Amino acid sequence: KNEVEQSPQNLTAQEGEFITINCSYSVGISALHWLQQHPGGGIVSLFMLSSGKKKHGRLIATINIQEKHSSLHITASHPRDSAVYICAVSGSGGGADGLTFGKGTHLIIQP
Amino acid sequence: EAGVTQSPTHLIKTRGQQATLRCSPISGHTSVYWYQQALGLGLQFLLWYDEGEERNRGNFPPRFSGRQFPNYSSELNVNALELEDSALYLCASSWGDRSNQPQHFGDGTRLSIL
Repeated sequence: KNEVEQSPQNLTAQEGEFITINCSYSVGISALHWLQQHPGGGIVSLFMLSSGKKKHGRLIATINIQEKHSSLHITASHPRDSAVYICAVSGSGGGADGLTFGKGTHLIIQP
Repeated sequence: EAGVTQSPTHLIKTRGQQATLRCSPISGHTSVYWYQQALGLGLQFLLWYDEGEERNRGNFPPRFSGRQFPNYSSELNVNALELEDSALYLCASSWGDRSNQPQHFGDGTRLSIL
């Protein structure tokens, strides 16, 4: 069973700051997902990656397969980025077996 | 393109009753996943359906069950409700049955057990 650890658990920053959220996992995976959950509960999939780096607007996600580690970066953070960011992994068995989730990072961006 | 839709948004039940939650996947998606997000426990995988079959389930008792219909929509049934079943239940869908496909989430059904 994969163990997914995220850090930090809580992060408060000022608008404009560069944000980094880290995720590590214990067993080889086929893909890693970064998700965003707003207070209402709905979840938005930000990235799915299995190698390298992806960028979408102010968001950047990287993964190091050898080190079993991924980071999510937010550049020029804004109060609307305030949300819970969740790292999740898909198994390495080929077939989908449901995601295994980290506990999430609660991010607050103050104006 | 319509996203994943779940109904109802909120559901209030009492202990011992049964609850039925519904999910309509994105058009063209054949896989449906159910997840539970209980307070303090984080998101946990419940069930996975693909092409009408249950393909995998998480570490939940048999009173959590469901099915997938020919149009790929899905129901989650929870029997003999217990207080600890109070949670947000999220449905996600993806194309195909491979783990390297992105999952698209609905807004969830909040189930409260009194």
